[in-house]
Amino acid sequence: DADVTQTPRNRITKTGKRIMLECSQTKGHDRMYWYRQDPGLGLRLIYYSFDVKDINKGEISDGYSVSRQAQAKFSLSLESAIPNQTALYFCATSDQNYEQYFGPGTRLTVT
Amino acid sequence: QKEVEQDPGPLSVPEGAIVSLNCTYSNSAFQYFMWYRQYSRKGPELLMYTYSSGNKEDGRFTAQVDKSSKYISLFIRDSQPSDSATYLCAMSGLVTGNQFYFGTGTSLTVIP
Repeated sequence: DADVTQTPRNRITKTGKRIMLECSQTKGHDRMYWYRQDPGLGLRLIYYSFDVKDINKGEISDGYSVSRQAQAKFSLSLESAIPNQTALYFCATSDQNYEQYFGPGTRLTVT
Repeated sequence: QKEVEQDPGPLSVPEGAIVSLNCTYSNSAFQYFMWYRQYSRKGPELLMYTYSSGNKEDGRFTAQVDKSSKYISLFIRDSQPSDSATYLCAMSGLVTGNQFYFGTGTSLTVIP
């Protein structure tokens, strides 16, 4: 089984809808991250969490919120989706300063 | 100015060629320098990392860090079609709050 799982893997939704992307990990890591990846822009950090009670905004947090339900679970929400949030979203975990373990990604399309 | 700059390519080389991938950065506080490989429709995976300056070799791959120039490189020798992927450089450090800063990625195709 994969160490970092993301659900759903693909999602098409309409403008204005609320969407939740979920991430679970079995690596036992405290640090978890949400990124989005866009062509030409690379990976950009949305939110990160170093433990259940610690949530931090990343480079592009506007329009997103997160919830760290447990050490192993970190969810990303789009309260009111807009087309420019169409992207590939990755969850990652880490316990070191040099390695992150990424999930398989969620491809989100907002029409 | 972005924290990390990387030429997006794309880069296309014949099998067996030596490939050079590069990144520049602006934050002198970075301590860890990583290269991730991302295959199509997959998440990035760590390929190599270097702490501070110097070289590191792992099989056909060599990572170099020049902190005085704020420049890092990844060399791939005897490139193979299976090396075709997007390569992302990344950097982090304690003073950057353990955040990872990624380059935009360079797309590499190795032609058989």
